Amino acid sequence: GAVVSQHPSRVICKSGTSVKIECRSLDFQATTMFWYRQFPKQSLMLMATSNEGSKATYEQGVEKDKFLINHASLTLSTLTVTSAHPEDSSFYICSARTSGSQNEQFFGPGTRLTVL
Amino acid sequence: AQSVTQLDSHVSVSEGTPVLLRCNYSSSYSPSLFWYVQHPNKGLQLLLKYTSAATLVKGINGFEAEFKKSETSFHLTKPSAHMSDAAEYFCVVSFGGFKTIFGAGTRLFVKA
Repeated sequence: GAVVSQHPSRVICKSGTSVKIECRSLDFQATTMFWYRQFPKQSLMLMATSNEGSKATYEQGVEKDKFLINHASLTLSTLTVTSAHPEDSSFYICSARTSGSQNEQFFGPGTRLTVL
Repeated sequence: AQSVTQLDSHVSVSEGTPVLLRCNYSSSYSPSLFWYVQHPNKGLQLLLKYTSAATLVKGINGFEAEFKKSETSFHLTKPSAHMSDAAEYFCVVSFGGFKTIFGAGTRLFVKA
């Protein structure tokens, strides 16, 4: 099956710094990638949808200047949390979808961000 | 409006007994439906999916789900629970290839 990787799996940073998370589709080309955020014991919340070569579409309430998304190629999307604060600590999960995947998304393993 | 509701926030069963995790959806479109499992501090793993083919869908690890359009339901079942099934389960609905909505999740506890 299709594989999506995320790097890093865990990151701890100081408040005020920026953190970049990479999401890669390893064996397929992802026309669309999604970024989700998951708080402890809660469901996934869609943050944004990105299509290769175009600007990401952010969900209501998600600050686009704080969560920068770049989908530079058909196999790579990055999420940068700028000027991170402790309340940004969360589990971030990406997913990728091909045009012919019948709406199925392939999920990455997630990145645990802890901001001190 | 489109929505998905997982009727139980947590379910507790004994090992070897059946599992039922309930999911209802609301949609104006023909949906694609999925069940994912998430073990602690892990990503999501696809259990099974319904995409307008057979209404009874068989997935991995002995799980299956039945799409009932008249009841707008897509409940997940397994005949016999195993300790390793303890995890969080998400019902996910995708509409028209655009919007994907996650249910709130159901935590499955399996007692020895």
